[in-house]
Amino acid sequence: QKEVEQDPGPLSVPEGAIVSLNCTYSNSAFQYFMWYRQYSRKGPELLMYTYSSGNKEDGRFTAQVDKSSKYISLFIRDSQPSDSATYLCAMSARLNYGNNRLAFGKGNQVVVIP
Amino acid sequence: EAGVTQFPSHSVIEKGQTVTLRCDPISGHDNLYWYRRVMGKEIKFLLHFVKESKQDESGMPNNRFLAERTGGTYSTLKVQPAELEDSGVYFCASSRGFVDNSPLHFGNGTRLTVT
Repeated sequence: QKEVEQDPGPLSVPEGAIVSLNCTYSNSAFQYFMWYRQYSRKGPELLMYTYSSGNKEDGRFTAQVDKSSKYISLFIRDSQPSDSATYLCAMSARLNYGNNRLAFGKGNQVVVIP
Repeated sequence: EAGVTQFPSHSVIEKGQTVTLRCDPISGHDNLYWYRRVMGKEIKFLLHFVKESKQDESGMPNNRFLAERTGGTYSTLKVQPAELEDSGVYFCASSRGFVDNSPLHFGNGTRLTVT
């Protein structure tokens, strides 16, 4: 069983729609949950970071973590064409100080159509 | 602040040849990581340096891969001899030292093609 599961299917939405992405995981030790955005030919860029369960909102982006279900989500409201990118979930356990070894999902390619 | 830079951006080599990838982390970042994405798979951890020391190299696939970090600054990842399955995108990332779970800053990656 993979540590992190993210259905890699592409997603096309009209501008202004809500984008909903999610990942499940199997490792109970994960405590830090992240969403990265990756544009073509670029490296992953940290978008949202959440510790343990709960919600976090940053502008049009909301990240949710449900540790009891081992399920995390990312919502993008009022989606814009500039949001077109690949979105990767990533998570890590509390390791020795300074170690931030991430486990990634496969990513979802999102296309926002003007 | 300059970001994480990686060189080359793209490398095409033949099976059996040697390739060396370079990563320059953000200045002052003690932690340096190498990750790899093979086509169709997720990004996977390779190893972690704290300054010049290897902290965790449990993700290195085999002994054909050698990573170094001279003087705790830039890092190189050498693949010798390269095999077809080594093709993929190699990412380097860095973060500040000894801050619990400080965010990783990724470079744009080196796309390696082994033919």
